[in-house]
Amino acid sequence: KNQVEQSPQSLIILEGKNCTLQCNYTVSPFSNLRWYKQDTGRGPVSLTIMTFSENTKSNGRYTATLDADTKQSSLHITASQLSDSASYICVVSVVTYKLSFGAGTTVTVRA
Amino acid sequence: ETGVTQTPRHLVMGMTNKKSLKCEQHLGHNAMYWYKQSAKKPLELMFVYNFKEQTENNSVPSRFSPECPNSSHLFLHLHTLQPEDSALYLCASSQENLLAALTDTQYFGPGTRLTVL
Repeated sequence: KNQVEQSPQSLIILEGKNCTLQCNYTVSPFSNLRWYKQDTGRGPVSLTIMTFSENTKSNGRYTATLDADTKQSSLHITASQLSDSASYICVVSVVTYKLSFGAGTTVTVRA
Repeated sequence: ETGVTQTPRHLVMGMTNKKSLKCEQHLGHNAMYWYKQSAKKPLELMFVYNFKEQTENNSVPSRFSPECPNSSHLFLHLHTLQPEDSALYLCASSQENLLAALTDTQYFGPGTRLTVL
């Protein structure tokens, strides 16, 4: 069983709307949690990174939250744009290269 | 651009071919990684190199052979692959020093889309 579970697997939203992606993890001990955005045909690009002591981090219209007690994280996209269409991957680490990857949530933004 | 380049971007090969994937990072990082990404599955770590030394081989079949001649370059040599090896192969790099370890981020290349016929 994967140690990082993401939901939903995919979603479709209208341009301008908000959406929230979920990530639940069982990785322990926890070092940090990252959200990556992966455009089709490209490698993942880091959006946010949070250590165990942080519970929110923003990057423009992307806001990530972390609850280390319940081992849950969310990524909120505000006022979605067509360019937000991508796969969003939750990554949890013990040490830097011991990363556990979620399978990703595919977001499609439609005009 | 992330500072990590990969060539070729697309590769089609037969099961008896030998080919190599190349990765180069221009970020001054000390650690480099190979990942395999199959559709709808989480990224799978294949190999890790730290200061040119292999520090992890994640039970990868011997038909995949990595090479790290220096901290900036990483190769993945392929031979006698199987159709199930078709996937996106991603290279990444990171700083990998003690001070940065807590918030170190891996920077990914664009990947090589490999198809094995």
